[in-house]
Amino acid sequence: DIVMTQSPDSLAVSLGERATINCKSSQDLLYSSDGNSLAWYQQKPGQPPKLLIYWASTREPGVPDRFSGSGSGTDFTLTISSLQAEDVAVYYCHQYYSTPYTFGQGTHLEIK
Amino acid sequence: QLQLQESGSGLVKPSQTLSLTCAVSGGSISSGGYSWSWIRQPPGKGLEWIGHIYHSGSTYYNPSLKSRVTISVDRSKSQFSLNLSSVTAADTAVYYCARGHSGFAYWGQGALVTVSS
Repeated sequence: DIVMTQSPDSLAVSLGERATINCKSSQDLLYSSDGNSLAWYQQKPGQPPKLLIYWASTREPGVPDRFSGSGSGTDFTLTISSLQAEDVAVYYCHQYYSTPYTFGQGTHLEIK
Repeated sequence: QLQLQESGSGLVKPSQTLSLTCAVSGGSISSGGYSWSWIRQPPGKGLEWIGHIYHSGSTYYNPSLKSRVTISVDRSKSQFSLNLSSVTAADTAVYYCARGHSGFAYWGQGALVTVSS
C-alpha cells in the first residue's frame, strides 16, 4: 500500500495569511503524461470531504483560486494564499495512483 | 447534478452483516470511466477506502477488509451496495459512497453505522 503522510497534523494561521500543508507519499505518484495522481480534500464537521485539487495542481470547478496545489513525484503541497474564516477544516491528501487508494491522516487548520 | 444517497441499517450487532445501498441520481451509473466507491471514517478519525465497482461489475477491495467485503451494482435501480460481514465495534464509522475518477468529486452525505449489542 502507498502510505500518505501529511505535515503538520495541525496548523494555526492568522486571517489573511498563507497556510501550507505538506503531503509525502511512499511511492512516486507520477502517472505518465496525465500527471501526478494526487488529490486534496477539505472536510468540515458533519460533511463529506470536498474535492479541491486533483492531478496535484488542477483546481476543481468552483473552488476559490486562493487554493493551489503543487509538487511532483512523492512530495506535494496545498497552499491557501490568504486564509479566510470559512477555510477552517480538516484537509486530506489522497493518492489514486494505485489500489488500495489511501489518504493522509489529515491536517486540522484553525485560525490563530 | 449528480447526487448520491446512502441508506441502510444504522445499528448492527457484532458478528452480523452491515448492509448499505447508495442510490445514484442525476447521472448514469453505467457511464464509462467512473468507479463507484465505498469509503468509511470512524468517529474523529481519518478516511479509509473500502473498495469500488465499475458499471461492468468488476470490483477491487482493500486487502485489509477483502475477506469480509462484497460490493455489487444494480444498474436497473441505479444503485450499488456494500455488505461487510462479521462486524465488530471497530467497524463503527460513517460510511460514504462516492464516484471516482481522478479523485472523488461526488460524495453521499454519509451514513453512520454503529456496531453494538
